[in-house]
Amino acid sequence: AQSVTQPDIHITVSEGASLELRCNYSYGATPYLFWYVQSPGQGLQLLLKYFSGDTLVQGIKGFEAEFKRSQSSFNLRKPSVHWSDAAEYFCAVGDRDDYKLSFGAGTTVTVRA
Amino acid sequence: DTGVSQNPRHKITKRGQNVTFRCDPISEHNRLYWYRQTLGQGPEFLTYFQNEAQLEKSRLLSDRFSAERPKGSFSTLEIQRTEQGDSAMYLCASSLEEGSPLHFGNGTRLTVT
Repeated sequence: AQSVTQPDIHITVSEGASLELRCNYSYGATPYLFWYVQSPGQGLQLLLKYFSGDTLVQGIKGFEAEFKRSQSSFNLRKPSVHWSDAAEYFCAVGDRDDYKLSFGAGTTVTVRA
Repeated sequence: DTGVSQNPRHKITKRGQNVTFRCDPISEHNRLYWYRQTLGQGPEFLTYFQNEAQLEKSRLLSDRFSAERPKGSFSTLEIQRTEQGDSAMYLCASSLEEGSPLHFGNGTRLTVT
């Protein structure tokens, strides 16, 4: 069965500093991988996805993620965070047959001025 | 693209009552998913449809839960004899049959008192 681990429950970062969120997955084959962001009381918005090809993927809002098969990781990065990036971030692995997603528990990002 | 629409946004009910939620997916999307999210956790898969056919149900979906998608368009999720443990955010998502990630609605927050 597929699963996702996000080791960091909460990260605090200064505005303008870089951000990296960790994600490790377990899946029997080549996975579909996703990062979603959720603001309080809202649904999930897709930041970026990896299906195949280039292992460094670019997303919206200046985010990027790198798929590393050898480490079973898909870490999310942003070079310079903005106050509006404060939110909860979820990594997910998708089944290639039914696109059913399994989510990690999420990482809450706080941005301090 | 009007996005995935869920109604109501909030529902407060007393234990033992029945509730029904509605999800209107993006119009050309064949697949529709229901997830449940409790505080501090990532979304957990409940069930999904391809057109009007319900293809999979999670073990989380007890006999008190039923989902329908009668014409392959909107879907309803009904919870009978609600319990306090049913309090959660219920998220609906839709996707094209292949090659497209899930697009989430803003969810229905259920509080069972």
